Amino acid sequence: SQQGEEDPQALSIQEGENATMNCSYKTSINNLQWYRQNSGRGLVHLILIRSNEREKHSGRLRVTLDTSKKSSSLLITASRAADTASYFCATDDSGYSTLTFGKGTMLLVSP
Amino acid sequence: EAGVAQSPRYKIIEKRQSVAFWCNPISGHATLYWYQQILGQGPKLLIQFQNNGVVDDSQLPKDRFSAERLKGVDSTLKIQPAKLEDSAVYLCASSTMLTGSHYEQYFGPGTRLTVT
Repeated sequence: SQQGEEDPQALSIQEGENATMNCSYKTSINNLQWYRQNSGRGLVHLILIRSNEREKHSGRLRVTLDTSKKSSSLLITASRAADTASYFCATDDSGYSTLTFGKGTMLLVSP
Repeated sequence: EAGVAQSPRYKIIEKRQSVAFWCNPISGHATLYWYQQILGQGPKLLIQFQNNGVVDDSQLPKDRFSAERLKGVDSTLKIQPAKLEDSAVYLCASSTMLTGSHYEQYFGPGTRLTVT
């Protein structure tokens, strides 16, 4: 069953703009992770945020987590054409690092 | 550090045939995962191993899918017999996960299976 649901399904922006993707989930979680998938590099881990954390940064990435609303957002600042990919949120609600992925947001960054 | 290795990268078979996929995780990673990713969807966990024991196989269609990790290192996933709806990319991942901890997963390039 699908735990995380990303929104929007697709996003098209220009280079230099910021991109924001949202993820909602249904049950309590241990942590939430964001992954990127493109044809060149496959599925790659971007960032992990624990259930007791509210915000985390990694380079141009900023992730927030609101456990009261069961939602997370991923912000990519100053986007580049190389950021073009599908972005997935994945929740770990088992304590065994068993991840449940959403359907993803497809991001297109145009030069 | 070498990544997760998978083979073959592509496979085309006819329905009712059998197929096997192989995965070699990152050295030292105790946990190994097999996912199925259908086009346009996120990966769906099929089975998770901790060393050579199964942690979760609740979404594995056990009437046709089987997986093993006999020596706690590499793993094989088999489908027998294949159906048209098994067409997907099969991803293998590994992590250093220990129960109760927080670890990322490292994914292999996947095997794209087409069932005709």
